[in-house]
Amino acid sequence: EVQLVESGGGLVKPGGSLRLSCAASGFTFSSYSMNWVRQAPGKGLEWVSSISSSSSYIYYADSVKGRFTISRDNAKNSLYLQMNSLRAEDTAVYYCARDPLGTSSSWYYDYWGQGTLVTVSS
Amino acid sequence: EIVLTQSPGTLSLSPGERATLSCRASQSVSSSYLAWYQQKPGQAPRLLIYGASSRATGIPDRFSGSGSGTDFTLTISRLEPEDFAVYYCQQYGSSPLFGPGTKVDIK
Repeated sequence: EVQLVESGGGLVKPGGSLRLSCAASGFTFSSYSMNWVRQAPGKGLEWVSSISSSSSYIYYADSVKGRFTISRDNAKNSLYLQMNSLRAEDTAVYYCARDPLGTSSSWYYDYWGQGTLVTVSS
Repeated sequence: EIVLTQSPGTLSLSPGERATLSCRASQSVSSSYLAWYQQKPGQAPRLLIYGASSRATGIPDRFSGSGSGTDFTLTISRLEPEDFAVYYCQQYGSSPLFGPGTKVDIK
């Protein structure tokens, strides 16, 4: 069974940093592109960042470019999101999501974690 | 940049009724790269449809997707109690983008 479990969320002050993690199990993690998608409280979904299976290709939404860094450790079956210079508008539930294609990216998401809440407030 | 519009914002129906949800793009979505997700309160989204009309693994056949170009539709043939939720479309022909969602609630 595919499982994605996020952690690392919490309350942080504007300008602060936070590192999110996503632990994957139930599939060959190293074969899939992975993504972060966020959802502000009571709002819709927003794609944040994507990383290919070997970390060769990395993409960011304009809203986080230069502030967030996505990475992965295939030996540990883990995905990460380093978030710096956080703003109030970054407040959201952050979901880890799998791209269903193996060696390339399809840009839609077949499995999602339960999410971790990041609150940016003074 | 593509903009997605979903209508209606809220759809009030009774169990057993047919639901028709619309997703319209401001520009043509290449190769029908359009997906639909269901989200219930406090839960993660669940993939229903990809490629505009292909059902994801384990999705009941009462869910169907159609459309191409700029107009797409998600149809739920007969609403079950567990189908009352928010539905999002997503285009992935260019930078991935989600629509604002349609809430299907109980009439």
